[in-house]
Amino acid sequence: EVQLVESGGGLVQPGRSLRLSCVGSGFNFDEYAIHWVRQAPGKGLEWVSGISANSGRTKYADSLGGRFTISRDNAKNSLFLQMSNLRPDDTAFYYCVKDSEFLIDARDANFDFWGQGTLVTVSS
Amino acid sequence: DLQLTQSPSSLSAFVGDRVTITCRASGSISIYLNWYQQRPGKAPRLLIYAASRLPSGVPSRFTGSGSGTDFTLTISRLQAEDVATYYCQQSYSGPPTFGQGSKLEIK
Repeated sequence: EVQLVESGGGLVQPGRSLRLSCVGSGFNFDEYAIHWVRQAPGKGLEWVSGISANSGRTKYADSLGGRFTISRDNAKNSLFLQMSNLRPDDTAFYYCVKDSEFLIDARDANFDFWGQGTLVTVSS
Repeated sequence: DLQLTQSPSSLSAFVGDRVTITCRASGSISIYLNWYQQRPGKAPRLLIYAASRLPSGVPSRFTGSGSGTDFTLTISRLQAEDVATYYCQQSYSGPPTFGQGSKLEIK
């Protein structure tokens, strides 16, 4: 059974940093791209960032302004999101999402498995 | 970025009804359109990929169709467990983008 388990969310003040983690199991972690997708409370889904299976390529949403960094450690089946200079509009559930492909920009890709999400609240 | 517009944004129907949700892309995306179901309080799950293909475990009452810019998700006989918000998504061009969602309720 494919599982993705996020951790690291919580309450953080504006301007501070936070690091999210995700551990994958039940599949060959090093064969698939992985993404972060977020959802503000009561709102829709927003793609945040993605990383290819071998970390050779990363992509980010333009709206982040370069504040987030995605990385992975395939030896530990782990994905990370380093978030800095957090703003109140970064408040959201952050989902770790498995891609169906090795690369992050395959045209026929889909998000075939999702974690349960971790809530990040940015507030003073 | 490619924009996806879903309609309707919300709808309600009776158990057993046929329900249709549409998704229109701002440019052609061939057949590369995916649908997700998000039940209340849960994470999204993949419902349809490549416009019309069902992942293992998805009931056959869900069907997808379309190509180019216009796509449809149909539930042939609505069940109570289908109460959810449905999102379309494309990875064909630029960053992955989602539609705004269509919230389905039971009458």
